[in-house]
Amino acid sequence: DVKVTQSSRYLVKRTGEKVFLECVQDMDHENMFWYRQDPGLGLRLIYFSYDVKMKEKGDIPEGYSVSREKKERFSLILESASTNQTSMYLCASSFTDRGKQYFGPGTRLTVT
Amino acid sequence: GQNIDQPTEMTATEGAIVQINCTYQTSGFNGLFWYQQHAGEAPTFLSYNVLDGLEEKGRFSSFLSRSKGYSYLLLKELQMKDSASYLCAVRDPGDYKLSFGAGTTVTVRA
Repeated sequence: DVKVTQSSRYLVKRTGEKVFLECVQDMDHENMFWYRQDPGLGLRLIYFSYDVKMKEKGDIPEGYSVSREKKERFSLILESASTNQTSMYLCASSFTDRGKQYFGPGTRLTVT
Repeated sequence: GQNIDQPTEMTATEGAIVQINCTYQTSGFNGLFWYQQHAGEAPTFLSYNVLDGLEEKGRFSSFLSRSKGYSYLLLKELQMKDSASYLCAVRDPGDYKLSFGAGTTVTVRA
């Protein structure tokens, strides 16, 4: 079974703090994705990566950056957390030629 | 990009059938996915359609009409555990990304 893990299920941070969210997949998938999920808005893509050290902006990249130094690991960084970044963050991974994405359990981030 | 529409909420009775519609507008198309997401959990894959027609998997079926930009997910013999959000997602051709609808929350009542 594919496994996608995220470093924390719940996280509380203060405004202005630097926040790291980690995601690891064990299926040698080329592609990895970071989404945020908010009520009524669905899943919105923040960043994705199709190879090590490669990254592409999604629909809402402002205020975020990413890092992919190893194939299995994709990190989302909030350089200076703000209250409007309070959300559920979901990581996913997929093979390039199949499209089906596998999701991690999510990190519920609260910025106070 | 994609514009994907699905109803916000639906309610049905245990044992009944519910049909969740999804319409999309896109310049290209390379498949449509349905995911199930229980409250507080990750989305899990339910079905994939790339050609027109019906795909059946047990109690769940998914239909696609590419010419109409339309899909539906049919849930039969509803059970309480089917109470969840159902997400429709479309894949662009030559793209790694999926574009998701806002999701349909289905509540199953006894």
